[in-house]
Amino acid sequence: NAGVMQNPRHLVRRRGQEARLRCSPMKGHSHVYWYRQLPEEGLKFMVYLQKENIIDESGMPKERFSAEFPKEGPSILRIQQVVRGDSAAYFCASSPDQLDEQFFGPGTRLTVL
Amino acid sequence: KNEVEQSPQNLTAQEGEFITINCSYSVGISALHWLQQHPGGGIVSLFMLSSGKKKHGRLIATINIQEKHSSLHITASHPRDSAVYICAVKGGGSNYKLTFGKGTLLTVNP
Repeated sequence: NAGVMQNPRHLVRRRGQEARLRCSPMKGHSHVYWYRQLPEEGLKFMVYLQKENIIDESGMPKERFSAEFPKEGPSILRIQQVVRGDSAAYFCASSPDQLDEQFFGPGTRLTVL
Repeated sequence: KNEVEQSPQNLTAQEGEFITINCSYSVGISALHWLQQHPGGGIVSLFMLSSGKKKHGRLIATINIQEKHSSLHITASHPRDSAVYICAVKGGGSNYKLTFGKGTLLTVNP
């Protein structure tokens, strides 16, 4: 049973470009959570999705950021018109149910030049 | 004030020493996680607990719900234990949202 998978592991973008981060949850997990770790800061919740639904996006910036978890395929965190302040490690976690333990992926490290 | 406070921020130990990392939180919780992150690496879930004590190999986690406090212990520490250890709580009115401490950087010297 493969763990949570994220790709790419490293992503470099220039200011103004778009970044797409992908997360494939563990088999049997239908709950996905995205967290951001800014340099020298702790992890912060961004968004919680269940298949085809956004349950809670209270931690996600209102502009430029969006997330989806389609019926088929991975969850995607999309950042439009990236700025240097978006440089961070983005972690995805999944769980079989809302109350269960969350398992984390290896993260995507985004660098905005 | 952060909802989750960890101490110490940095910890250096000699191989073989007994390690304790502390976590205090200020909100009611349904569960507490201990996570491990190697520099530049991914996050590994070590424990999820809501009461009592759990043990896995050389790692032991305890939680005191009344005192809103948890500890992570490492027995017979080894250089490969060097990592950041992060406490995260699920609570404050949410059954799913994790709130994280800033982490404890552990360095175990040979």
